[in-house]
Amino acid sequence: DTAVSQTPKYLVTQMGNDKSIKCEQNLGHDTMYWYKQDSKKFLKIMFSYNNKELIINETVPNRFSPKSPDKAHLNLHINSLELGDSAVYFCASSPYFSDSPRGYTFGSGTRLTVV
Amino acid sequence: AQSVSQHNHHVILSEAASLELGCNYSYGGTVNLFWYVQYPGQHLQLLLKYFSGDPLVKGIKGFEAEFIKSKFSFNLRKPSVQWSDTAEYFCAVNVDNQGGKLIFGQGTELSVKP
Repeated sequence: DTAVSQTPKYLVTQMGNDKSIKCEQNLGHDTMYWYKQDSKKFLKIMFSYNNKELIINETVPNRFSPKSPDKAHLNLHINSLELGDSAVYFCASSPYFSDSPRGYTFGSGTRLTVV
Repeated sequence: AQSVSQHNHHVILSEAASLELGCNYSYGGTVNLFWYVQYPGQHLQLLLKYFSGDPLVKGIKGFEAEFIKSKFSFNLRKPSVQWSDTAEYFCAVNVDNQGGKLIFGQGTELSVKP
C-alpha cells in the first residue's frame, strides 16, 4: 500500500481549464500539505491542513483551492489554468502539526502541464 | 524572511570521489534541518535530519551532515559516492514558529560518472 498517493500522476490540459489533483494518505496522520516544484526544481509550500483545518496558506493565487473532506484526504482544485501553473505538485503528510517535520512523507507527485 | 541557500547548482563527480554539498540558512532562532534526496522521476526521500544534540548526524546510504550553528550551515557529506547517488539533493529548514512548514533550498543536482 502506498502511504501517500496522488492522482493523477500526469495531467496535460489546456489553458483556461479547471482541474483537480487528489491526495490520500493511509498513515493516520493529522497534517497534510501541498508543495509546488517549479521547472527549476524549486520546492515551495502552498497549503497545509491540520485535521481538516487550513493552517498554512502561502501567497497562492485564488485560483488554487484546497479541500480536505477528512484528515486522510487533501485535494487541490485549480481554476482557469495558466501556463505558469505547469509544475510538479507534491502532497505530503505528517503526524502532528506541532511536530510535523519529524515525520514528513511525500507522495510521488503530479506533473501538470498546461498547453 | 527565512531562506535556505545551496551553493552548488550542479556537481559532477566520478565514482568513489568524496562529496560535500553546501547548505546555509538565514534564521537566528531554533531550527530543525533536513536533507532530502529526489531520484529521477521520484518523490522526495529523507536522507537525514537534525533537531538537537550531536551536530554530526548520520543518515541513510552512508550520508552524514554537520550542523555548524555559528556558520548557519548544514553541509551534506559522503566519503565515497556511487553511480546510484545520482539525484537531486535538497536542504530544508523548519523554523520554530512556523509549525510544519519546510523551507527548501534550490537543490543541487549530483551526477556521478561510473
